[in-house]
Amino acid sequence: DVQLEESGGRLVQPGGSLRLSCSASGFNFNDYAMHWVRQAPGKGLEYVSGIGNNGGSTNYADSVKGRFTISRDKSKNTLYLQMSGLKTEDTAIYYCVKDRGKTPRDFDYWGQGTLVIVSS
Amino acid sequence: QTVVTQEPSLTVSPGGTVTLTCASSTGAVTSDYYPNWFQRKPGQAPKPLIYGTSNKHSWTPARFSGSLLGGKAALTLSGVQPEDEAEYYCLLYCGGAPLFGGGTKLTVL
Repeated sequence: DVQLEESGGRLVQPGGSLRLSCSASGFNFNDYAMHWVRQAPGKGLEYVSGIGNNGGSTNYADSVKGRFTISRDKSKNTLYLQMSGLKTEDTAIYYCVKDRGKTPRDFDYWGQGTLVIVSS
Repeated sequence: QTVVTQEPSLTVSPGGTVTLTCASSTGAVTSDYYPNWFQRKPGQAPKPLIYGTSNKHSWTPARFSGSLLGGKAALTLSGVQPEDEAEYYCLLYCGGAPLFGGGTKLTVL
């Protein structure tokens, strides 16, 4: 079974940094693009970032461009989201999502999410 | 700035049919926008329903179908069940990073 387990979410002060991790199992991690999606309290879904299967292509929402960096470690079957310059509006549940293919396009499996709270 | 628009709310009777739509401010939605549809229930992770305009995942009930309709992506539920009450989100690739619509709250009443 495909499993995605996010971790790293916690309370952090504005301007701070945080790294989220997503441990993947049940599929060949190196064959699929991956994404991060978030949902702020009481708000809708917001795409954050995506990365191709070999890490060579990435994309970012305008709201996080220049502050967040997506990466992946094929030896650890793990997806990362390095977040810096955090703002209160970054408070959200962050979901790790697997794609159906090598390039970011079609979403399938989702993790259960990890909560990030940005507050002083 | 590109905006993806969905109906904020819709109501349907059990057994009825309803169509949710997803529009892009850039113009007519085509298959090149790779429309994806998701169902979201409180306290649960979003559940993917449709990818690539009209393709179903292995777990997608047959009553859900995706299409292009009048320049928009569309999700049609035929023979609606009470458990279909949820929020539904579309996702479009409008150039650059993909964008979610604001979601449609579907009430089954």
